[in-house]
Amino acid sequence: EAQVTQNPRYLITVTGKKLTVTCSQNMNHEYMSWYRQDPGLGLRQIYYSMNVEVTDKGDVPEGYKVSRKEKRNFPLILESPSPNQTSLYFCASSRGFIEKETQYFGPGTRLLVL
Amino acid sequence: AQKVTQAQTEISVVEKEDVTLDCVYETRDTTYYLFWYKQPPSGELVFLIRRNSFDEQNEISGRYSWNFQKSTSSFNFTITASQVVDSAVYFCALFMDTGRRALTFGSGTRLQVQP
Repeated sequence: EAQVTQNPRYLITVTGKKLTVTCSQNMNHEYMSWYRQDPGLGLRQIYYSMNVEVTDKGDVPEGYKVSRKEKRNFPLILESPSPNQTSLYFCASSRGFIEKETQYFGPGTRLLVL
Repeated sequence: AQKVTQAQTEISVVEKEDVTLDCVYETRDTTYYLFWYKQPPSGELVFLIRRNSFDEQNEISGRYSWNFQKSTSSFNFTITASQVVDSAVYFCALFMDTGRRALTFGSGTRLQVQP
C-alpha cells in the first residue's frame, strides 16, 4: 500500500531534550516536506527536500533541522525543543518537480513540549 | 505573496442539509493549483481534489462538488445531503509553481453535521 508513515504518532517531552520524528514514504517520491499545524493558522511548511541531499527552509524553520540521506526518509529533528514547538506535525511527499503531483500526507505526529 | 482565506471558522448543519465551504485565494501567478483536504477527528489529512488555474470546469464527485471561479478568486466546496461522517475540518490550499513547492493553507473550516 502506498503511504507516508510517521513515528511516533504521539510524543510528550520536556524542554531541551533532543528528539527526532521519522518520516518514510514507499512511493519513490522525490519531493518531501514537513508542516506544522496550529489552531487558527492552518498548516505551515517547516522544511522541504527536492531530492536526496537537497533540503531547504520553508516558512517556519527556526528550531528545526532535517536531513535527506535516502530518498524514502526525511526525519525532522528538534535539537532543543521548546513549548512553542508543541504542535501537530505532518510529513508530505509527492513525485518530481515536473509532475507537480498532489502532496500526500502522513498520519501526523502530536508533540507536546513541557 | 500568496494567501488563502477560509472565512468560516465553524459551520454546524443538520444531516441531509447542503453546505458550502468558502475559499478565497490571492496570488499573482497565472499558473497555480488549488486543493481541498479533509481532516477527520482522527487527524489525518485526506486529499479531496486538485484543480489547476487553467481549468475552470466545475467538478462533481458523488455528494461533493467544487465551484472554481477565477474572476472572484474563489474555489468553493459544496456537500450535498450532508452526513455525520462529513464532520471534519476542511482545508483549502494553494500551490504555486515555484521552487519551494509549498502548499499555502487556509486556516480551515470545522464542519459539524448533527444527526
